[in-house]
Amino acid sequence: ETGVTQTPRHLVMGMTNKKSLKCEQHLGHNAMYWYKQSAKKPLELMFVYSLEERVENNSVPSRFSPECPNSSHLFLHLHTLQPEDSALYLCASSQDRAPRRAFFGQGTRLTVV
Amino acid sequence: GENVEQHPSTLSVQEGDSAVIKCTYSDSASNYFPWYKQELGKRPQLIIDIRSNVGEKKDQRIAVTLNKTAKHFSLHITETQPEDSAVYFCATGGGNKLTFGTGTQLKVEL
Repeated sequence: ETGVTQTPRHLVMGMTNKKSLKCEQHLGHNAMYWYKQSAKKPLELMFVYSLEERVENNSVPSRFSPECPNSSHLFLHLHTLQPEDSALYLCASSQDRAPRRAFFGQGTRLTVV
Repeated sequence: GENVEQHPSTLSVQEGDSAVIKCTYSDSASNYFPWYKQELGKRPQLIIDIRSNVGEKKDQRIAVTLNKTAKHFSLHITETQPEDSAVYFCATGGGNKLTFGTGTQLKVEL
């Protein structure tokens, strides 16, 4: 167990649903990340929260909305997703200084139907 | 932004042979170079990393080399074993994010 926990592990949702993914880290890190892993683009960075500042990949659609209430918790709110959003969503955390050794959660396997 | 290219995309070796995976990057400001191993159905796990002030680092059967001038770095696995079979990702770090390569599927055959 690496200290980064994601829930749920699997999620099936319809295109009109609203759901949230949760990530929690117990490593004392102060930076957290959301990555999307699919066959087309392995390990694509979506969002970074570093010292409570959000940095995002400009190509991420607005139907994905992150929330980081504190340095230990990270959420990804999902609404009106498309089938092509089906993928493995990985959370990671690291220290906010070099070297940024990132530790990943187990991921949430999302299927949009 | 940073662009990381990784080769080969698939690699098959016989047990006991060595495996080499190479990555090139574009951003000269990158100063951190980790490698991750992802077994089927599991999370990516950090196996070794190197910082830009070091040219080579070794940990038992794995080693990473870095050529900052040429902007490339490599992962070397010696005496491969079946449990080394997995997808390996290189990455570069600079600022507050990691940029990953596209991965190499390594298969170690008996």
